Parts: sequence; structure tokens; C-alpha cells
Amino acid sequence: YELTQPFSVSVALGQTARITCGGNDIGNRNVHWYQKKPGQAPLLVIYRDVNRFSGISERFSGSNSENTATLTINRVEAGDEADYFCQVWDINTWVFGGGTQLTVL
Amino acid sequence: EVQLVESGGGLVQPGGSLRLSCAASGFTFSTHGMTWVRQAPGKGLEFVSGMSGGGAMTTYADSVQGRFTISRDNSNNTLFLQMNSLRVEDTAVYYCAKVATPIAMAGTAFDYWGPGTLVTVSS
Repeated sequence: YELTQPFSVSVALGQTARITCGGNDIGNRNVHWYQKKPGQAPLLVIYRDVNRFSGISERFSGSNSENTATLTINRVEAGDEADYFCQVWDINTWVFGGGTQLTVL
Repeated sequence: EVQLVESGGGLVQPGGSLRLSCAASGFTFSTHGMTWVRQAPGKGLEFVSGMSGGGAMTTYADSVQGRFTISRDNSNNTLFLQMNSLRVEDTAVYYCAKVATPIAMAGTAFDYWGPGTLVTVSS
């Protein structure tokens, strides 16, 4: 099962970033999102499509429908600059998307 | 507080072996699945292997099947990854991660991660 993410997304400070994760009928799967900064461990941001993990800002939200899951970051801050990865479970294993580099302008 | 700390990484020649450990604390280790995920330099996250809380279920990425073996010691709250026949392309930071939901594995997220340990395979 393949997950397709854009290589990079750029957004101005204070604006809204949307990072997509494409997969065949992904709307019928649980999608999780992770934030990864250089030199740090990955951080769970959104689990099961729409649920924010403990301590995650309300500016982060998720959606999932048909063939695309989306991570939305409102009022983007400089500290949101990172790589973001989507993840699903598929036939006895976990699959990650290739990751999206978020740049804050 | 959940803590995961990996150890055992280092430099090894192609064809060599390493054993990674992950010491866990702050949760009931035996009821949660545990996994290994790696990130090669300049690349994305790659699932490597996972094991259910009781050890009955294991899963591996195709890229490591037959070379890597996951195991756990629930009496000492430790996860292991035995890596044999190492290749240059196995070079990566290896993270252990906790499966979020007790008992279940399928469809669950990884809610806590260790800081990682670097494995370098080079001659």
C-alpha cells in the first residue's frame, strides 16, 4: 500500500498549511500524523484521522475522506517548521508516507 | 512519565551484526505492542519491525525479513532488535516506539518514541 505526500509545502507565518496524504481508499483507514524535527524523535500529532495527541496545539487538525487525508495547521508558527509523515496500517504492517517538508516563510 | 531509551548502535562492517535494546518505563510494558522504526540519512521514516505485548505476534518490513529478529523481555521491560547480515543501506537512526493502544496492534499509532540510536554500516 502506497502513501503519497508532497515533497514540500511552504506557508507564510500566520497562514494555514495543508499537508495531504494520498492513498487508495484511504478514507476507510485510520491515518496518523507525526512531526519530525532534525535531531529529535518523531512526535505523534494526530491519531485516527482527527484526534489530537496529548499536548498538541489546537491549531493542528486532521481529516480523511475518500482517497486523501489532510493535516491542517492553522496560524502557522516558526516552530511548526518540520517534516510531517502520515501513517496507516496495512496487512500486518505499518506504512509511512514519504514525508512533507513544511517551510515557514 | 513514559520513557524509552535505545542503546546498542554503532559502527559495523557490512555482513556484521548488532543488537539494539530499548529500555522502557512509565507504563505497563507487557500490555503494549512495541516497534522499531528507522530513518536513513536524508530519508523518511521506515517501519522495521513490531511485536505484540505478549510476544505472540511479530511483523517485519520486507527489507529486513530474514535478517532482523525482534524480541522482548517483559520481566525487564526491554525490547530488542537483533540485526544480522547488515548492509550499507541499513545505516540509519533506529527508534523504538510504543504502540498506543493496549493489546491491539492493527491500526494503532505510535504514541511515544525514544531518542534513537545510530547504526552505521560501513567498511
